[in-house]
Amino acid sequence: AQSVTQLGSHVSVSEGALVLLRCNYSSSVPPYLFWYVQYPNQGLQLLLKYTSAATLVKGINGFEAEFKKSETSFHLTKPSAHMSDAAEYFCAVSEYNFNKFYFGSGTKLNVKP
Amino acid sequence: DGGITQSPKYLFRKEGQNVTLSCEQNLNHDAMYWYRQDPGQGLRLIYYSQIVNDFQKGDIAEGYSVSREKKESFPLTVTSAQKNPTAFYLCASSIGTSYNEQFFGPGTRLTVL
Repeated sequence: AQSVTQLGSHVSVSEGALVLLRCNYSSSVPPYLFWYVQYPNQGLQLLLKYTSAATLVKGINGFEAEFKKSETSFHLTKPSAHMSDAAEYFCAVSEYNFNKFYFGSGTKLNVKP
Repeated sequence: DGGITQSPKYLFRKEGQNVTLSCEQNLNHDAMYWYRQDPGQGLRLIYYSQIVNDFQKGDIAEGYSVSREKKESFPLTVTSAQKNPTAFYLCASSIGTSYNEQFFGPGTRLTVL
């Protein structure tokens, strides 16, 4: 079975600073990869997804992620953090031909003024 | 507007009582999912259904039951056998292929008194 590791349960950045949220997956076969954002007491909203096209994926709200097969990573970045980015972020993986998602444990992003 | 609705938003239950959480979608999606979310543990899959009248156990199905009599509805019953039911429950749906994202409802917070 797949597993997803998100390094750092809490990340704190200053407004305007770079955001880097880490995600590593375990799979010998390149999977499909997703990043979701969750605001308190709400459902999850898709930020972006990788489905074996371009390795650099651009999403909503200025976020992007790069798929690196050699590192089995799919880290999420944003050049300049905004206060509204404060939320919890989840990385998810699904396997080819298998309709089931595996979620990481989440990273809470705090943005300091 | 197309989307997923979950009701109620907050639910309180006494120990020993069964309770049913509602999930409805008008996205015409084939697949539907139920997740449980606890702080620091990400999302854990309870049950999923890829087609009407069929469903499979996820990773933590014990103490839960589901039905899928209609394409748009996937109710979850939390039974008295569930040892620790207090949690945030999320319903999701997708087209049904591994490269398509899951769309999430707003969630139901269940508290056992």
